[in-house]
Amino acid sequence: AQRVTQPEKLLSVFKGAPVELKCNYSYSGSPELFWYVQYSRQRLQLLLRHISRESIKGFTADLNKGETSFHLKKPFAQEEDSAMYYCAPRVASGKLIFGQGTTLQVKP
Amino acid sequence: GAVVSQHPSWVICKSGTSVKIECRSLDFQATTMFWYRQFPKQSLMLMATSNEGSKATYEQGVEKDKFLINHASLTLSTLTVTSAHPEDSSFYICSARDLTGTGRSYEQYFGPGTRLTVT
Repeated sequence: AQRVTQPEKLLSVFKGAPVELKCNYSYSGSPELFWYVQYSRQRLQLLLRHISRESIKGFTADLNKGETSFHLKKPFAQEEDSAMYYCAPRVASGKLIFGQGTTLQVKP
Repeated sequence: GAVVSQHPSWVICKSGTSVKIECRSLDFQATTMFWYRQFPKQSLMLMATSNEGSKATYEQGVEKDKFLINHASLTLSTLTVTSAHPEDSSFYICSARDLTGTGRSYEQYFGPGTRLTVT
């Protein structure tokens, strides 16, 4: 079945600790992959896309086609990173399909 | 960056009435708009895709007669929840994608959402 999985509903770390938010997908073809972030009381916004291979706010994500994963990483978490993070493949039809989301809580 | 607005931001209506939610792309032409539904503490569930000037494509399990979508112009899509019931209470989010080259075509821009409460 085609799906995107974010296994952790909540990830709680202390400030300065490394963070890895997991995402696995099982879509056929080569979907574009994105990470979206939703800060408290704000709209959803794009964080990263796999094509650009960029680092935004210290976050990076590497597409591993062999493992069909697109994990989001940051070496040193900050309190302002606390938010809901969604992994989202864009499938052939152009639709973005969202994972269940992971709440990242960075404690002081 | 590109901005998508939604109106109203929240609405309370009585069971059996219809409610219209507007989604506008403010500084780009949105050839494609998407409507999502989000339950508390849950993910976004895609309801339908609308392309300007054509009928919307609904996801499996979404009643097209219940959730009427109109994308009459390149900057406006509307979602009408007909004969609303309490179970339709939810957070409805639209997003827009620019495929005409006036924005970054890979990005999908999201509206702030509309909270619908049906009493």
